[in-house]
Amino acid sequence: QSALTQPASVSGSPGQSITISCTGTSSDVGGYDYVSWYQQHPDTAPKLMIYDVSNRPFGVSDRFSGSKSGNTASLTISGLQTEDEADYYCSSYTRRKTWVFGGGTGVTVL
Amino acid sequence: EAQLVESGGGLVQPGGSLRLSCAASGFSFSSYWMHWVRQAPGKGPVWVSRIKGDGRETSYADSVKGRFTISRDNAKNMVYLQMNSLTVEDTAVYFCTVDRVYYGLDVWGQGTTVIVSS
Repeated sequence: QSALTQPASVSGSPGQSITISCTGTSSDVGGYDYVSWYQQHPDTAPKLMIYDVSNRPFGVSDRFSGSKSGNTASLTISGLQTEDEADYYCSSYTRRKTWVFGGGTGVTVL
Repeated sequence: EAQLVESGGGLVQPGGSLRLSCAASGFSFSSYWMHWVRQAPGKGPVWVSRIKGDGRETSYADSVKGRFTISRDNAKNMVYLQMNSLTVEDTAVYFCTVDRVYYGLDVWGQGTTVIVSS
């Protein structure tokens, strides 16, 4: 199972919006609305930010939003803040009844 | 509050075995899929395995299939990962996590470190 494809890095200034892409195949991202996104700060466990493509868990800021088109899912962070600087990973359920993660995107707040 | 606490990590020689444990509390354990995810130093998370709430269905990543076995004890609110034939590529922090939202891993443990080295 190949990892989902994410850009290595994305940057933006405080207050700006950024979008992180996550590309898979019809066997994972494109085949199911089961894409999730995680934020990870150094030396901590990942934190769920979005599930089922666009749903936010309780307590996650509405500055985070998710969408999907075809085999590509996206995470948008609006009103970028310094605390958003972290690594972000997408994940998807797959046709083989497994899960797969993306390679990760480092977000830098300039 | 939902909580997961892993244990059982350590240093093991190539070809050796290790059993990881994860203690769950604060949620209806038997209702949810439990997962193991690992993360090698400096790398991203990699999904390893999952087990259904009743224990009757499991799945594995290709990289561990045939070597790792996931199991659970709903009476004890515990999930396990038996790891055999370990290689240096299995070196990682292993996280126990749960999917209570279908589909997203919404609670994570702190992780337990496995180092495979001679």
